[in-house]
Amino acid sequence: AQSVTQLDSQVPVFEEAPVELRCNYSSSVSVYLFWYVQYPNQGLQLLLKYLSGSTLVKGINGFEAEFNKSQTSFHLRKPSVHISDTAEYFCAVTRGSGTASKLTFGTGTRLQVTL
Amino acid sequence: DSGVTQTPKHLITATGQRVTLRCSPRSGDLSVYWYQQSLDQGLQFLIQYYNGEERAKGNILERFSAQQFPDLHSELNLSSLELGDSALYFCASSALSGLRYGYTFGSGTRLTVV
Repeated sequence: AQSVTQLDSQVPVFEEAPVELRCNYSSSVSVYLFWYVQYPNQGLQLLLKYLSGSTLVKGINGFEAEFNKSQTSFHLRKPSVHISDTAEYFCAVTRGSGTASKLTFGTGTRLQVTL
Repeated sequence: DSGVTQTPKHLITATGQRVTLRCSPRSGDLSVYWYQQSLDQGLQFLIQYYNGEERAKGNILERFSAQQFPDLHSELNLSSLELGDSALYFCASSALSGLRYGYTFGSGTRLTVV
């Protein structure tokens, strides 16, 4: 079974500073990897996904992530954060086979951006 | 608007009661997934339906059940409710090949058991 570990439960950062949210996964087979964002009192929104191909994936709102197979990591980065990026970020993995699949989520990282 | 509709948005009920949460998937999506989000457990996968059939089961209690109807909407039934069932319940949907593109989530139903 696949699993995801988000190494930081909270990440405080000043506005306009760079940020990296860490995610490691474990799986014995090829996986698809995702980052979701949850703003307060809202559902989850897809930020970006890695399916195959280029290991650098660009998503919405200026975020990007790099898939590193040797380190089984999929860290999320943004070169300059904004106050509006304050939210909970979830890394997720799925193996997926046919019509039976599920996303396994990490425990989340709370990004707190301050002035 | 993600296209996935969940009702009601908020629900307050007493212990021992039964509630039904409803989810309408995005147009064209055949798969529906239910997740429970709580402070202590995080996001937990409950169950998946595909075109009316149960396809995957997660950490779903025996007191909970779900089904997907011919029009593809889904209902999650929670019975003999306990205080610990208080959580945010999310529904998500995906197309047949949606697992490669992630799910589309609804905005959730916040259940409070008092």
